[in-house]
Amino acid sequence: KNQVEQSPQSLIILEGKNCTLQCNYTVSPFSNLRWYKQDTGRGPVSLTIMTFSENTKSNGRYTATLDADTKQSSLHITASQLSDSASYICVVGGATNKLIFGTGTLLAVQP
Amino acid sequence: EAQVTQNPRYLITVTGKKLTVTCSQNMNHEYMSWYRQDPGLGLRQIYYSMNVEVTDKGDVPEGYKVSRKEKRNFPLILESPSPNQTSLYFCASSPFTGALNTEAFFGQGTRLTVV
Repeated sequence: KNQVEQSPQSLIILEGKNCTLQCNYTVSPFSNLRWYKQDTGRGPVSLTIMTFSENTKSNGRYTATLDADTKQSSLHITASQLSDSASYICVVGGATNKLIFGTGTLLAVQP
Repeated sequence: EAQVTQNPRYLITVTGKKLTVTCSQNMNHEYMSWYRQDPGLGLRQIYYSMNVEVTDKGDVPEGYKVSRKEKRNFPLILESPSPNQTSLYFCASSPFTGALNTEAFFGQGTRLTVV
């Protein structure tokens, strides 16, 4: 069964600190792995997309890693800001534009 | 500006009253899909369309219909809404290129409440 699991479910950090979110997946066939940021009540917005040949990709303070052998990915946020408070969703692309979504990690950045 | 537009953003309706949620994209994308998002669950695909007049069921299609008469529009139809269809709905579009890193763009969401 295709599954994407994320941890932790929720996380509280202080502004300026770093954090790392985890994603494990069992999806076949595998096309790509994406991280999305979703503000409360809004649509997901893409942060990074990685194919199986890429093992790291950055977008500003966001850095995603992918280990296709162990089927794990992480999203590292550096020097967090209050505006980083959101849900971060790991999404695996399967066959033919099919997307399998994780349930997300809810991040709260406190001053 | 490239975007996916859903309407309405919020909707409260009564059980059994037919409704349509519209979705329009201005990026000339072939692939469009509808998802619902419920607490504790990831987004789940309802229906998708690979091109005009080509639609297929996703993972949770029961109680929903779609149509794709034009490339830019992909409306979601609830013929007889029930309370278990209360949810947050998202429309998404992407080019159908076969590339491994095809980007998907999401609308702002429609919060539907069925009473």
